[in-house]
Amino acid sequence: AQSVTQLGSHVSVSEGALVLLRCNYSSSVPPYLFWYVQYPNQGLQLLLKYTSAATLVKGINGFEAEFKKSETSFHLTKPSAHMSDAAEYFCAVSNNDMRFGAGTRLTVKP
Amino acid sequence: DTGVSQDPRHKITKRGQNVTFRCDPISEHNRLYWYRQTLGQGPEFLTYFQNEAQLEKSRLLSDRFSAERPKGSFSTLEIQRTEQGDSAMYLCASSRAGAYEQYFGPGTRLTVT
Repeated sequence: AQSVTQLGSHVSVSEGALVLLRCNYSSSVPPYLFWYVQYPNQGLQLLLKYTSAATLVKGINGFEAEFKKSETSFHLTKPSAHMSDAAEYFCAVSNNDMRFGAGTRLTVKP
Repeated sequence: DTGVSQDPRHKITKRGQNVTFRCDPISEHNRLYWYRQTLGQGPEFLTYFQNEAQLEKSRLLSDRFSAERPKGSFSTLEIQRTEQGDSAMYLCASSRAGAYEQYFGPGTRLTVT
């Protein structure tokens, strides 16, 4: 069965600092991987997706993620955090149903 | 593309009552998914449809839960004899067949008192 594990339930950075949210996957087949963002009392918004094309994937709002098969990782990064990035971030792996990690809450300090 | 919509956005009900939620997917999407999300957790898969056919159901979907998509467009999720443990956000998502990314609606927050 496919699954993802997000390391760190809460990450806090200063505005302008690097954002790094960690995700490791487990899959017996080449995975399709995703990052979603969720703001309070809202649904999930797709940030980016990996579907076996380029290993470095660029998404919306300046986020990107790199697929590393050797490390079974798909970490999310952003060079410079903005206050508006504060939200819950979910890594997910998909076959037909989508399996989500437990989420990482990102706090951005002024 | 108007996005996935869900109705109602919030529902408060007493334990033992039945509730029904509606989801309208993106119009050209033939796959529709239901998830449940409890506080501090990621969404958990409940079931999905391709057109009107329900293709997969999670073990989380007890016999008190039923989902339908009668004409392959909108879907309903019904919970019978609600329990306090059913309190959660119920999320709907849709996708095109063959496309693995899913697009989510705003969710229906259920509170069972």
